[in-house]
Amino acid sequence: AQSVAQPEDQVKVAEGNPLTVKCTYSVSGNPYLFWYVQYPNRGLQFLLKYITGDNLVKGSYGFEAEFNKSQTSFHLKKPSALVSDSALYFCAVRDIVTGNTGKLIFGQGTTLQVKP
Amino acid sequence: NAGVTQTPKFQVLKTGQSMTLQCAQDMNHNSMYWYRQDPGMGLRLIYYSASEGTTDKGEVPNGYNVSRLNKREFSLRLESAAPSQTSVYFCASMSGAGSIEGTDTQYFGPGTRLTVL
Repeated sequence: AQSVAQPEDQVKVAEGNPLTVKCTYSVSGNPYLFWYVQYPNRGLQFLLKYITGDNLVKGSYGFEAEFNKSQTSFHLKKPSALVSDSALYFCAVRDIVTGNTGKLIFGQGTTLQVKP
Repeated sequence: NAGVTQTPKFQVLKTGQSMTLQCAQDMNHNSMYWYRQDPGMGLRLIYYSASEGTTDKGEVPNGYNVSRLNKREFSLRLESAAPSQTSVYFCASMSGAGSIEGTDTQYFGPGTRLTVL
């Protein structure tokens, strides 16, 4: 079965420090991976996706993610965290087992807290 | 462009009451989705519509029905609300489930926060 895991419920970093939010996946075939961010009382906003090609994917707001096939991971990173990055982050994988329906399978989410 | 809009933003129901959550998108997308978000469980797919005129069950469809009214609108109905349906509901749309390799991005609405007493 396809699945996504975010092993950390919460990540705390100081402003200006690098941040990493972890994601691992389990799929059959090639993975199509996504990161979304949710600010308080808002909907999900798309950050970036990996489909194919370069393992380092750059996205919105200075975020990037590294696809690692051997470790089945897709960790979200940012070189220098901002207080405004504090939010709930979701990793997701495209469900391709049940046909090309576009469905996403989400991880449980990681709360990022950036302290001033 | 408004993107994906949802109404209402908040709703409180009593057990057994019914209601319909509305979703509309103005991006001419083919595919639309309804998710529920519960603490520690991420988002779970309730129903989806890969194209106008089709709907299919997702991971947690029990207690819900949907209608793809036209290409723009996709509604979610609770016929007899239960406290277990207290959640935040998100609608999403995507340009085309039939795209090559399924590489499209889903875009989400602001959500409806539903409480069932």
